[in-house]
Parts: sequence; C-alpha cells; structure tokens
Amino acid sequence: GAGVSQSPSNKVTEKGKDVELRCDPISGHTALYWYRQSLGQGLEFLIYFQGNSAPDKSGLPSDRFSAERTGGSVSTLTIQRTQQEDSAVYLCASSITGTALSGANVLTFGAGSRLTVL
Amino acid sequence: SQQGEEDPQALSIQEGENATMNCSYKTSINNLQWYRQNSGRGLVHLILIRSNEREKHSGRLRVTLDTSKKSSSLLITASRAADTASYFCATVHGSSNTGKLIFGQGTTLQVKP
Repeated sequence: GAGVSQSPSNKVTEKGKDVELRCDPISGHTALYWYRQSLGQGLEFLIYFQGNSAPDKSGLPSDRFSAERTGGSVSTLTIQRTQQEDSAVYLCASSITGTALSGANVLTFGAGSRLTVL
Repeated sequence: SQQGEEDPQALSIQEGENATMNCSYKTSINNLQWYRQNSGRGLVHLILIRSNEREKHSGRLRVTLDTSKKSSSLLITASRAADTASYFCATVHGSSNTGKLIFGQGTTLQVKP
C-alpha cells in the first residue's frame, strides 16, 4: 500500500480482555517496528522484525505482550489480560531495510492504534 | 532505556522566531534522525544525519551533530504556527548493524501566531 496502515484506530476494552492490533507495512519494506506512546510521553520501543531474522523482543514489557509477523508482511501485536497501564497509543512503523547503513532505516509510521483499558 | 534525551521539554516562541532543540545520547551511533509528531499520532521523518557528518540542511531545518559531545541540535528558522508539534530525535547504536531506532522523550514546540 501507499503507507503504513494500522487497525483498529481506536479500541476500548475491559480490563482482563485480550486485544489484537494489526499493522500492514509498506509493500517491500523488510523491517517492521512496534512502539508504545503513553499520553504526553516519548516512544517506548517494543519489538522489531527484520526480514527472516529472529525478532528483537527486548522492549516487550511483560509476557502478556507478543507479536508476530506473517509472511514478512502484516504484523499483529497481541496483549493478553489487558491492564489499565496498557492504555496508550501503539505505533507501527516500517523501513526499507533494517540496517543503519546508507540511512536505510528511515521509518514510515502508521497513524497508530489508541488503546483504552477500562 | 532511552538513548536520546531532548532539551528543552517544552518551547514556546512567536511566529518568525527561530526554534532550537537539543538531543543528547549515550553511546556511539550510526546515524541520528529527527521526527515530528502532530496531534499525538504518527511521526513523520524530517532529516537524517550520519555519524561522519557535522551539519545538514533541509529547507528551514538545520541539524548539527557533535559526536565528541554526543549531541545534536535541530534549528527551525523563521518558525510558523504550522510548526507547532512535538519533535523527537532517534538514534541507532553504533555497534549495531540493525536499524533499530530508539527515540528520546521529545520537545513540544508551540509557535504563537
């Protein structure tokens, strides 16, 4: 597609429920990133996929969080047993490659999925 | 942990004035990027500066990089009300060949008409 597409744009859920957030990156981009942004805060790195390599999951805050990327394209971020502190905007981004060489790691962001846990 | 830290956290200026934002980082880097965010949603890439570059320009934007001080600055000249947004720096660890970007906390810029 022309840009990074995220769905849903807004999600309200009850504490304890599971949620799935979807990201459709730019076609041909091999690297995909998930970040979380709480109100008025900076971006917190969650997870990073690069081609067929094992993902870098070092930013996932707990084992309730998981993500997968199927066929090197669409990615789903799953939050199990949601808590109120999970409320945030979840941002997905993609880049042409996952290397910093030649500046190929310039990110294109989606509009984000705003999650509210009641 | 965050790699980049922006300073100031918030900046308010009049239209036409220049705005300067600073970013400090902790470890060596491959490149440093600046992004802009409107209305708390997606970020937009502004400019990238490589570790072997000292200054770069793009329109009204000027970015400098001082690797000895581990710092960068973003200057917006002749600011406009439409420049009101949050600005973030992002870096990649120099020892890593990945593109994994770590963002700072951001500077919120308000340009008053």
